[in-house]
Amino acid sequence: KNQVEQSPQSLIILEGKNCTLQCNYTVSPFSNLRWYKQDTGRGPVSLTIMTFSENTKSNGRYTATLDADTKQSSLHITASQLSDSASYICVVSADGGATNKLIFGTGTLLAVQP
Amino acid sequence: EPEVTQTPSHQVTQMGQEVILRCVPISNHLYFYWYRQILGQKVEFLVSFYNNEISEKSEIFDDQFSVERPDGSNFTLKIRSTKLEDSAMYFCASRRQANTGELFFGEGSRLTVL
Repeated sequence: KNQVEQSPQSLIILEGKNCTLQCNYTVSPFSNLRWYKQDTGRGPVSLTIMTFSENTKSNGRYTATLDADTKQSSLHITASQLSDSASYICVVSADGGATNKLIFGTGTLLAVQP
Repeated sequence: EPEVTQTPSHQVTQMGQEVILRCVPISNHLYFYWYRQILGQKVEFLVSFYNNEISEKSEIFDDQFSVERPDGSNFTLKIRSTKLEDSAMYFCASRRQANTGELFFGEGSRLTVL
């Protein structure tokens, strides 16, 4: 069964600190992996998209890694800011051609405190 | 920057009433989706739409749900007879390319069924 598991479920850090969020997946056949940021009550916003051949991708203070062998991904946030407080969702796409097979994780709720 | 727009932002309705949620996808996008997110839970796929027809739907998308793109601009989700458990945030999304294209979400329509 295609699944995406994220950890931790929630995380509290102090402003300026770094943190790493984890994503493990069992999705086949794998197409790509995305990280989204979702502010409370808002729509998800894409941070990164990685295909099978990509090991790392950065977007400002966000760096995502992908290990397709172990089926793990991480999202590292550097020098956190209060505005980073949000839910971070890992989404894995199964190769379904034109159809949609995005499998969403439950998200990690990050709270950055001053 | 082009964006997916959704209306209404919040709708309150009585159980058994019909509801129509509207979305205007990004203009040059070809693939359209509806997702829902029950409060505190993960985002769930409802339906994908391409070339003026449904390309895939989930188990959630039963006979009470329908989608259409009546005028080449709006993409609507209709719930014929709402139930309490339909209360959720409904997100519209669109992308230009299947699978590898970045998926853009709207800000969501919050549906409350009383």
